[in-house]
Formats: sequence, C-alpha cells, structure tokens
Amino acid sequence: EAGVTQSPRYAVLQEGQAVSFWCDPISGHDTLYWYQQPRDQGPQLLVYFRDEAVIDNSQLPSDRFSAVRPKGTNSTLKIQSAKQGDTATYLCASSLDWGGYEQYFGPGTRLTVL
Amino acid sequence: GDSVTQTEGPVTVSESESLIINCTYSATSIAYPNLFWYVRYPGEGLQLLLKVITAGQKGSSRGFEATYNKETTSFHLQKASVQESDSAVYYCALGDYNQGKLIFGQGTKLSIKP
Repeated sequence: EAGVTQSPRYAVLQEGQAVSFWCDPISGHDTLYWYQQPRDQGPQLLVYFRDEAVIDNSQLPSDRFSAVRPKGTNSTLKIQSAKQGDTATYLCASSLDWGGYEQYFGPGTRLTVL
Repeated sequence: GDSVTQTEGPVTVSESESLIINCTYSATSIAYPNLFWYVRYPGEGLQLLLKVITAGQKGSSRGFEATYNKETTSFHLQKASVQESDSAVYYCALGDYNQGKLIFGQGTKLSIKP
C-alpha cells in the first residue's frame, strides 16, 4: 500500500512569492490534515478535511493561506505571499476516520523563505 | 487551553540503560482525550509508535510503554533497555475522540550512546 505522498520535497522562495504544496493521501482515507512544523517544534494543525469538506481551518492564516480538496482525494495548500515566518516543514497526513484513528504522515515539504 | 509539554531535549542515554520521556497534557476543551506517541527516525517520516484511547490503559510497541494517567494528566514514555536503533525524535500528542486534530508536544530528540 502506497503511503502519503507530497510534492515538492523542498522549496526556496523570496518574500512575497507564492507557493503551492500538493498531497496525495492513502487510498480510502477520508480525512486529510495539513500541519506546519517550524524547526525544533512539534507539528501544528493548520486545516483538516473530511472528504471535500473543511472541518476546521481556524488555525489557517486565511489572508495568505488557502487549502482545497475538491474531489475528496488529493489536496493543495497554497501560500499567496510568503513571509520569512512561514519557513517550516509542511506535513500532510491522512486517516481512515477521525477520533482515535492513526494518522499517516507524508515526508513533508521543507519551505525556506528568504 | 489544550496543550502538551514533554521532556526538553536533547536526551542522551547509554545503550541498555532505561529511558523515560515525560509527557503531561492539558485538555480543558476536549471531552474524550486520546493520547499518542509518534516517532521520527533519522531520514524517515513521522509514524505512530503507540496510542491509548481510554484512561488507565497502557499502550506498548517495540519495547516502549506508556500509561494514560488521567489523575496526573500524564502519558510518560518508558523503555527498560534502549538500543542504538531507538535514536529518534519522539513526540507526545493529544487527540480528541470527537474530532480529528492532534496537538503535539515540542518533541524530544533521543540519542543512544553505544
């Protein structure tokens, strides 16, 4: 069974540039999560979906960040105008359902904003 | 608020010695807390080590154990005899059975001296 895949693996931007991250969850997993992990910290949830519906995006900086999962499978996280403070690893995870189910994590995209 | 605090790293332990990584949590807005330990081995993605959904229960995996103690709001990770292959970053996480999100601690980097 293929795991969670993410692309790109690395991105380097200047402040003000836009970037998109793509995630392909494990087949059959209806719940998908995006986390931001700054260096030397734990992952922090940004947004999560059940199928195509956003369940919680309260931690997503809505003025610059957006996330979609249009068909309830793959997902895209976009940063419109990156800031140095966005430098972090962005992790995608998926699970069969929520509520105690294991989350399976992708390898992450390491973003550096100069 | 809801939060997780764990042993500040890095931690170095000699091979075959015992290990304890402390984890305490605050679950003020979570009706049914679940507790998890995730691990990131060098060069690999974040993966579940063990989980406990019910207070008072113990989880175990790969020689590691953790008991969900509701009275002390703790979920300490223990191993009787560590091996060099246990070198990794360990994350304690708090989940809500009624929701999907996880709240992670800051991570504890563990190095094993041969």
